[in-house]
Amino acid sequence: QVQLMESGGGVVQPGRSLRLSCTTSGFTFSSYAMHWVRQPPGKGLEWVAFTSFDGSSKLYADSVTGRFTISRDNSKNTLYLQMNSLRGEDAALYYCAREKYNAYGDWGQGTLVTVSS
Amino acid sequence: QSALTQPASVSGSPGQSITISCTGTSRDVWTYNLVSWYQQHPGNAPELIIYEDNKRPSGISSRFSGSKSGNTASLTISGLLAEDEADYFCCSYAGTWVFGGGTRLTVL
Repeated sequence: QVQLMESGGGVVQPGRSLRLSCTTSGFTFSSYAMHWVRQPPGKGLEWVAFTSFDGSSKLYADSVTGRFTISRDNSKNTLYLQMNSLRGEDAALYYCAREKYNAYGDWGQGTLVTVSS
Repeated sequence: QSALTQPASVSGSPGQSITISCTGTSRDVWTYNLVSWYQQHPGNAPELIIYEDNKRPSGISSRFSGSKSGNTASLTISGLLAEDEADYFCCSYAGTWVFGGGTRLTVL
């Protein structure tokens, strides 16, 4: 079955960096576009970043452009999110999601990022 | 990109039908047939229940249906069950992607 598992979250000081990973299995990772979506505790969902199936196309939300970088390693079936210059408003549960049916067809369980001094 | 507009909460009794609206603009909901809906129970990841405005993934109950008129998409849940109590989010493609603020459904 399809599985997505995020990792790499934790507590980080403002201005510092963190790299999230999303390890996948149960499908041909290299055939699917992937996204990162975040959810601050008790709040709604916010799309963060997109990568095409081969990594040739990437898009970012305005709120993270220039600070976050999405990447993928199709040989490892893994998606990444490099987050630099972290701010308080970046604190959230970060989900990776597989694009299926032109929507977020499958989700991981999320990894929590806390930004605090 | 501004968030889509959803009511903060809706409620209904078991067996009834409810509709959740999702209002966007001519740059998103109106232009693209790419509205999706997600159900999220507390402590769980979201789950896709409607895609491309009105299509259901396999395994999703036919009690869930999607529609769209102009700038507004809608999710209708018929025959409400206690298990439908959850948060519901709409999302539209708009060059990038934008979510609604979410609607809390309470089954009375």
